[in-house]
Amino acid sequence: AQSVTQPDIHITVSEGASLELRCNYSYGATPYLFWYVQSPGQGLQLLLKYFSGDTLVQGIKGFEAEFKRSQSSFNLRKPSVHWSDAAEYFCAVGPNDYKLSFGAGTTVTVRA
Amino acid sequence: GAGVSQTPSNKVTEKGKYVELRCDPISGHTALYWYRQSLGQGPEFLIYFQGTGAADDSGLPNDRFFAVRPEGSVSTLKIQRTERGDSAVYLCASSLSGGRGDTQYFGPGTRLTVL
Repeated sequence: AQSVTQPDIHITVSEGASLELRCNYSYGATPYLFWYVQSPGQGLQLLLKYFSGDTLVQGIKGFEAEFKRSQSSFNLRKPSVHWSDAAEYFCAVGPNDYKLSFGAGTTVTVRA
Repeated sequence: GAGVSQTPSNKVTEKGKYVELRCDPISGHTALYWYRQSLGQGPEFLIYFQGTGAADDSGLPNDRFFAVRPEGSVSTLKIQRTERGDSAVYLCASSLSGGRGDTQYFGPGTRLTVL
């Protein structure tokens, strides 16, 4: 069975500060890993994904994530957050591109 | 171009009623997916279509849930004898081919409330 844990329900960060969102997964083989962002009234938008190759993945909006097999983690990072980054972030894992299991999400609040 | 659209955006129904939720994928996308997102949770996979056929319906919770995609484009998720526990946001996504590395594009969802 596959599962995802996002340990942080809510994170508050100052604008311009760095951001790291944690994601731990459980999966028996090399998984497909994803980070999605969901803003109020908007659909889920893919930030980045990993399924092979370089373990440091670059995504849109200045986000990156690193796959660490030994730690079963796929943490998301951004060096300097903008107020527009306030949203809910979901990590997902799957055996392929479609049968994804999502975490419960981390809500990010950005303070001025 | 136009993204994935879902109608209605909100649906309120009474327990025991039948509902249909519609998804219009991005034009040319052969793969279509339905997910359900309950309050405070991440989306949960329901079903995956490749063209007109359901390639994987293992996420449908029970036989009250059914989905069709008769012409390989628009899809309808049908829920019979609705229960209060069916209240959730139902998300639809589409991707170009469903192949490795494909990106799913999500619609805004339909919020279903069962009273």
